[in-house]
Amino acid sequence: QITLKESGPTQVKPTQTLTLTCTFSGFSLSTSRLGVGWIRQPPGKALEWLALIYWDDDKRYSPSLKSRLTITKDTSKDQVVLTMTNVDPVDTATYYCVRPFSSSLNDPFDIWGQGTMVTVSS
Amino acid sequence: QSVLTQPPSVSGAPGQRVTISCTGSSSNIGAAYDVQWYQQLPGKAPKVLISGNSNRPSGVPDRFSGSKSGTSASLAISGLQAEDEADYYCQSYDFSLSAWVFGGGTKLTVL
Repeated sequence: QITLKESGPTQVKPTQTLTLTCTFSGFSLSTSRLGVGWIRQPPGKALEWLALIYWDDDKRYSPSLKSRLTITKDTSKDQVVLTMTNVDPVDTATYYCVRPFSSSLNDPFDIWGQGTMVTVSS
Repeated sequence: QSVLTQPPSVSGAPGQRVTISCTGSSSNIGAAYDVQWYQQLPGKAPKVLISGNSNRPSGVPDRFSGSKSGTSASLAISGLQAEDEADYYCQSYDFSLSAWVFGGGTKLTVL
């Protein structure tokens, strides 16, 4: 059974750096064609793709947030970490860890974590 | 503003059929990238409803169907049930943005 679980702070202050960890099980990120990414959803709003990292360390970022995001993986710990710098109240959202079916651009994000709500407020 | 455009809301009575549209452009749906549809029940994470434009994952009832034509796609739900009340999102890939993109979401109300 494949599972993903997000962890991190529930609240951060504006201008701070947000660090979220996705701990997964049921697969290895050293397996060819696999990747893990992040999608967020502000309260009452739409889904927004943020970043994705593949088994070969290829990294993809949302162009609108690229300057503020860093995604890394620790294969030995089965974890993927997303850092977002200089957060703002508009970054308040539920952050989901996701796994696409494969490395094809046409594949869905077929495994989702439960999500973690992050509030940016002073 | 979302790259893919969906109606904010649709509604239908139990047993009826509804459709949800998803309009893109020549850099995403029109560029032959597949469309996926997700269902998000209240307070839950989204789940895949339709992949590859029209394929239903195991466990998804055949009341749900997807299609794609040109720069648009549609999700059809027939035999509406109260449990179908949820938010629905379309998603594709955009080559000009080099990013996966979502629609703004459509709230389905079962009257």
